[in-house]
Amino acid sequence: AIQMTQSPSSLSASVGDRVTITCRASQGIINNLNWYQYKPGKAPKLLIFAASRLQSGVPSRFSGSGSGTDFTLTITSLQPEDFATYYCLHDYIYPYTFGQGTKLEIK
Amino acid sequence: EVQLVESGGGLEQPGRSLRLSCAASGFTFGDFAVSWFRQSPGMGREWVGFIRSKRNGGTTEYAASVKGRFTISRDDSRSIAYLQMSSLKVEDTAVYYCTRHSMTKPSFDFWGQGTLVTVSS
Repeated sequence: AIQMTQSPSSLSASVGDRVTITCRASQGIINNLNWYQYKPGKAPKLLIFAASRLQSGVPSRFSGSGSGTDFTLTITSLQPEDFATYYCLHDYIYPYTFGQGTKLEIK
Repeated sequence: EVQLVESGGGLEQPGRSLRLSCAASGFTFGDFAVSWFRQSPGMGREWVGFIRSKRNGGTTEYAASVKGRFTISRDDSRSIAYLQMSSLKVEDTAVYYCTRHSMTKPSFDFWGQGTLVTVSS
């Protein structure tokens, strides 16, 4: 199975900050990478698909980049509602696997 | 509005069985595959398996950790997918999520809120 290594595992930031989260795949997955936001008790929310495409309805402060094995999620100008846990998930081939998650906390 | 609602979770003993349901609304259920994922403190997030649409054969694929014990099925007339879990193990304890699974991007765009399964004696 393809392993996804996500970093950092946790991150402290302030409202208005710019943050970056990375995921590295153990083998090339072209652009088959999604980013999700997770808040306890809620359905996971798709932010970015195909590495860089913004899901409909997601604010433009979220962006994704990368291809092959290295991918990045960037959030510019953090808002209070952005403090959550973020996961990458590849959909290149099953078994689909996740990164370990990044918990974004208020500094 | 696309919605997926899981149900059927609860406490079950090791070796027993449990069936989860995923009720879908807001889209043509039969046009999509359905995937199941789970999240547990010990195992993190894990893909469990999926069932293709009838148009794509209605066949299933499973993670190695559940193959032979779990079975995914669907009832397109009721817009419901099922996850039949047998020979439950303590390590199957997790929150189980169903997702709409498209064969085009984005693959997993809508998720349910999950249902908790606890396997304990």
